Amino acid sequence: GAVVSQHPSRVICKSGTSVKIECRSLDFQATTMFWYRQFPKKSLMLMATSNEGSKATYEQGVEKDKFLINHASLTLSTLTVTSAHPEDSSFYICSASRLDGGPTDTQYFGPGTRLTVL
Amino acid sequence: DAKTTQPPSMDCAEGRAANLPCNHSTISGNEYVYWYRQIHSQGPQYIIHGLKNNETNEMASLIITEDRKSSTLILPHATLRDTAVYYCIVSRTSGTYKYIFGTGTRLKVLA
Repeated sequence: GAVVSQHPSRVICKSGTSVKIECRSLDFQATTMFWYRQFPKKSLMLMATSNEGSKATYEQGVEKDKFLINHASLTLSTLTVTSAHPEDSSFYICSASRLDGGPTDTQYFGPGTRLTVL
Repeated sequence: DAKTTQPPSMDCAEGRAANLPCNHSTISGNEYVYWYRQIHSQGPQYIIHGLKNNETNEMASLIITEDRKSSTLILPHATLRDTAVYYCIVSRTSGTYKYIFGTGTRLKVLA
């Protein structure tokens, strides 16, 4: 149980285009999903927290108009990188917290999406 | 900033126990200690978590000191597949909680 998927696993796009990344909780409902970014040899950095049916909360320094997050259902959240530039190239990882997870709200992570912007 | 500090790297012989320490001296009473690991180019994998009691599951054991200011993750019989970056995180369990990742410990299991 507690499987999270991401699609696509890899994407290459041209500078100026937009890219959508999907995050799904496959066998549980997630009240909250998180989006992280990871640069090579660095740790994960939280970008935003998303709750189903409400606007995402972005971390300081993350542009909400550039990184659009939609959490339309209890099993799906999407991250859209708008007008991507080479500096947006990174490993994007989502996580989901179970609705029925009890008091500990453990996060389960997806496999990640590697974005390369040319 | 992360609320935890870990050694940047450790080596362990295959078949031996790997003991990974973590300091979290500013942990609050309602914060749990979580451990995850990340194998290269994959998402983090949940290992174990605890509040104040020691915990054990099929993957590892978690030892939390009585003052809760530090903990140790124990992999009882390390294998080559345990080579990964291990992250120790403290997080609340209610309200707006989030994980702040530190730099983790890069564990290398040697044959």
